[in-house]
Amino acid sequence: EDKVVQSPLSLVVHEGDTVTLNCSYEVTNFRSLLWYKQEKKAPTFLFMLTSSGIEKKSGRLSSILDKKELFSILNITATQTGDSAIYLCAVEAGGGADGLTFGKGTHLIIQP
Amino acid sequence: ETGVTQTPRHLVMGMTNKKSLKCEQHLGHNAMYWYKQSAKKPLELMFVYNFKEQTENNSVPSRFSPECPNSSHLFLHLHTLQPEDSALYLCASSQDRGRAPLHFGNGTRLTVT
Repeated sequence: EDKVVQSPLSLVVHEGDTVTLNCSYEVTNFRSLLWYKQEKKAPTFLFMLTSSGIEKKSGRLSSILDKKELFSILNITATQTGDSAIYLCAVEAGGGADGLTFGKGTHLIIQP
Repeated sequence: ETGVTQTPRHLVMGMTNKKSLKCEQHLGHNAMYWYKQSAKKPLELMFVYNFKEQTENNSVPSRFSPECPNSSHLFLHLHTLQPEDSALYLCASSQDRGRAPLHFGNGTRLTVT
């Protein structure tokens, strides 16, 4: 059974700090790993990673995948209160599997 | 606006009621999904449709009944639910089955009393 484990489950930091969120996975026939941000309702797509060692970057957010060690990290630099959200990690399996397998998420709170 | 619209946003129903959740996607995608999000649990895949055909039913109880009349619309019919079914129900779509990323709607917050 495919499995995604995120850590920490919750994190409180001050504005301006840098945070690193972790995601480890076990999946048969790995295809991709995805990060989502969920503020109120709809998870919004951040990154999709398929290759090891290639950093994806969008503004203050970046992410990298290690397919050998089966994990990914999401970095947020110079955090702002608007970064407060639940960050979800999910994996996509190939071989005809449908949908994504999600972790429980990291609840990030940025204090002013 | 996310491109995937769900109604209603909130729903309170008794255990003997029958109600339906609606999802519409405006992205031209071929695959649509229902997920359940409960407190402190990962999102759980419930159903997958590809070109209106159901391709996955993830051991969901029969009190949940999906319907996909076309590639843009997806329904979840609810009847005789239990209090533990209270959760956020999220609809998503993707270009094709098994093709991430998925794009999510805002969800329906369901409370079963």
